[in-house]
Amino acid sequence: DIVLTQSPLSLSVTLGEPASISCRSSQSLVHRNGYNSLDWYLQKPGQSPQLLIYLVSNRASGVPDRFSGSGSGTDFTLTITRVEAEDVGVYFCMQSLQTPITFGPGTRLEIK
Amino acid sequence: QITLRASGPALVKPTQTLTLTCTFSGFSLNTPGAGVNWIRQPPGKALEWLALLYWDDDKRYNPSLKSRLTITRDTSENQVVLTMTDMDPVDTATYYCQHRAGYWGQGTLVTVSS
Repeated sequence: DIVLTQSPLSLSVTLGEPASISCRSSQSLVHRNGYNSLDWYLQKPGQSPQLLIYLVSNRASGVPDRFSGSGSGTDFTLTITRVEAEDVGVYFCMQSLQTPITFGPGTRLEIK
Repeated sequence: QITLRASGPALVKPTQTLTLTCTFSGFSLNTPGAGVNWIRQPPGKALEWLALLYWDDDKRYNPSLKSRLTITRDTSENQVVLTMTDMDPVDTATYYCQHRAGYWGQGTLVTVSS
């Protein structure tokens, strides 16, 4: 199974400041089509997860441009340029290169 | 607009079989590339992938649970059904269905208790 690790596991950020979350994979996530099968999700309190970023760096529909993703192979990063109050929740990465599909443990973001 | 909703019993007894239904709209499971995942999340814990049904009826299961899971489709009703046998209290979780493109449905909390 592909293991995803995230760091940090919790993050306390001042409103308007940047935040960055790392996701590392135990194996390369490069598909034979050249794309990396790594997505980022946000689970707000009491809600289902919502897609933020797909295939490493593509923002999902309606996602603010303060969210961006980068990386390739085994190292990936989600960056929020200016944290807003509505960004509170748990962020997790997910790989769909192979089954079993696996998830990172999640990073809890709170406002300082 | 793609929507999915997981439904099932809120409470099951140990050793019983759980049947969950994912009712979806906004896409066809006959479209090449489409697929529906089942994923669960025990209270306060991480997400765990359970099973995936592809448009061509290919099925994949989490090896750790494969012997207990069956995923099927009801094309006429736009539904994907997951059954899990021999339920145990450790299976208490919110169960979600998800379209492969990233859309998640509202989950359903299943508690296993006698």
